[in-house]
Amino acid sequence: DTAVSQTPKYLVTQMGNDKSIKCEQNLGHDTMYWYKQDSKKFLKIMFSYNNKELIINETVPNRFSPKSPDKAHLNLHINSLELGDSAVYFCASSHTEWGSSTYEQYFGPGTRLTVT
Amino acid sequence: RKEVEQDPGPFNVPEGATVAFNCTYSNSASQSFFWYRQDCRKEPKLLMSVYSSGNEDGRFTAQLNRASQYISLLIRDSKLSDSATYLCVVSNTGGFKTIFGAGTRLFVKA
Repeated sequence: DTAVSQTPKYLVTQMGNDKSIKCEQNLGHDTMYWYKQDSKKFLKIMFSYNNKELIINETVPNRFSPKSPDKAHLNLHINSLELGDSAVYFCASSHTEWGSSTYEQYFGPGTRLTVT
Repeated sequence: RKEVEQDPGPFNVPEGATVAFNCTYSNSASQSFFWYRQDCRKEPKLLMSVYSSGNEDGRFTAQLNRASQYISLLIRDSKLSDSATYLCVVSNTGGFKTIFGAGTRLFVKA
């Protein structure tokens, strides 16, 4: 009954490799997000998608390429991994109702990426 | 200036204490405001939304002052299980751009 799931939970890889993280939500939400939480625990938005369309790209290097094949999935592919990419990556989803002030986001359990 | 600023703490309080967290935000066009809670090595979870009129959920009370661009969270009768990091969150219309504060750490001790 997991609402937002991410795979893998842990990812250890070497610099220069390419890796993907998958995210799926079964809440029927139309908006999905990727966040990065670095070693200082600061949670920063990377991308947001609404109905499979990119809405926000927060000056993330183009080595990061999100893909949303449908409203329930938002995957993150990272090329040429660097040491600074080591962090916890969280996927989240929400329902967007225009005019509403509630956009509760449900987060996945996170993917802990370590680049060596 | 950071878009959302919080006192990082940590706040160390005994069980039963009342503790207050404050947060300021820089974008006056922000539309939605929240407090999230994050336990160690876990994902953030919504604690409560924050409305202009103020709102209460059990031991938790949240206030919003749009004129001062200030949000607060009050926790009464602290429990050991309240130990966590509390994140102040601000969103634009539609919630597409959501800014998290760096969080305030709370330790409640017996």
